Amino acid sequence: ETGVTQSPTHLIKTRGQQVTLRCSSQSGHNTVSWYQQALGQGPQFIFQYYREEENGRGNFPPRFSGLQFPNYSSELNVNALELDDSALYLCASMESPSGANVLTFGAGSRLTVL
Amino acid sequence: DAKTTQPPSMDCAEGRAANLPCNHSTISGNEYVYWYRQIHSQGPQYIIHGLKNNETNEMASLIITEDRKSSTLILPHATLRDTAVYYCIVRRGANNLFFGTGTRLTVIP
Repeated sequence: ETGVTQSPTHLIKTRGQQVTLRCSSQSGHNTVSWYQQALGQGPQFIFQYYREEENGRGNFPPRFSGLQFPNYSSELNVNALELDDSALYLCASMESPSGANVLTFGAGSRLTVL
Repeated sequence: DAKTTQPPSMDCAEGRAANLPCNHSTISGNEYVYWYRQIHSQGPQYIIHGLKNNETNEMASLIITEDRKSSTLILPHATLRDTAVYYCIVRRGANNLFFGTGTRLTVIP
């Protein structure tokens, strides 16, 4: 089975630009979550998608948005980038949103905003 | 969700058992204890989870006190590759995990 893959691994943007990050879930997983990890901090939950619908959101503004596709791959979009958006963005998938399931994380996409 | 308290850092000699404590005194009856770790520049990796009983898998053992207010993750024979940040998380499910800042474990040769 393949794990969670993310792309790109690194990217640099300037303030005010928009960015799209992509994620392929682990085979058999229909639920995907996105996390933001600033330097020296633990990951923070952004949102979760199940069957192409958002079903949970953390304390992030609306300029953070997402999509989940029928094949369970996912995108994270961030508009109007700010310097503080510089972080490692992690995608994680799991078999379903219920029960004591575990998350499988990708290696992340490191975004630098200049 | 219950809040967890972990020491910010610990050292362990290579080959010895690493015992990482976690306090979660406000845990609810239906909340699980999860442990994840993050090796530098990689995504977090699931280690183990439990509800009431002690658990063991190929990576580690999880000891949960009878009152469930604290737990200990045990790496039986620590290796240099176990150097990482270890997160203890209490949650009903795997949705919206709050990672905190974890314990930075350094395995010393």
